[in-house]
Amino acid sequence: SQQGEEDPQALSIQEGENATMNCSYKTSINNLQWYRQNSGRGLVHLILIRSNEREKHSGRLRVTLDTSKKSSSLLITASRAADTASYFCATDSNDYKLSFGAGTTVTVRA
Amino acid sequence: DAGVTQSPTHLIKTRGQQVTLRCSPKSGHDTVSWYQQALGQGPQFIFQYYEEEERQRGNFPDRFSGHQFPNYSSELNVNALLLGDSALYLCASSLTDPSPETQYFGPGTRLLVL
Repeated sequence: SQQGEEDPQALSIQEGENATMNCSYKTSINNLQWYRQNSGRGLVHLILIRSNEREKHSGRLRVTLDTSKKSSSLLITASRAADTASYFCATDSNDYKLSFGAGTTVTVRA
Repeated sequence: DAGVTQSPTHLIKTRGQQVTLRCSPKSGHDTVSWYQQALGQGPQFIFQYYEEEERQRGNFPDRFSGHQFPNYSSELNVNALLLGDSALYLCASSLTDPSPETQYFGPGTRLLVL
């Protein structure tokens, strides 16, 4: 079974628009990470947010974490065609493994 | 600085056969984890190796086994292949000290079982 659940399952936006996706999880965590996957290949690490942090930025990415609601969001601003990919949240509950959700597929239209 | 590498990139096997997948971790990393990703799903944790021993295992049968070598590279072995073993197998490496956090993934090996 998977720890995280991403919402929505799929998202289609126009180039230049913002994309927001959410992740909910079930158990307490040490940190939460977001990964990107292009065309079923390897995962690229985007950003890590620790359980004692509420918001983090990296370039066009903004991640929030609400541990009371066991949820996180990933915002991609000013989207580009190259942002077309699947995005996964992964939780680390301090037991060595990462637990992934099923992902959000983002399509950026030119 | 080489990232995580995996071989082969693609593999086709038939039911009942055995397969070995290989992974070289990112330079300086001492921990290797293996994940299985079925089509349309997120990766599922198989097991993690540290200091040449299996440190933690996910919910996978004993047909799945692994090994870590002194140079930190790793192998994943799957025996008696089933159709349901068809998936993308991902290797991830990390640095245990001070604490394992970000895992860096390789490009994966796509296994098709016929």
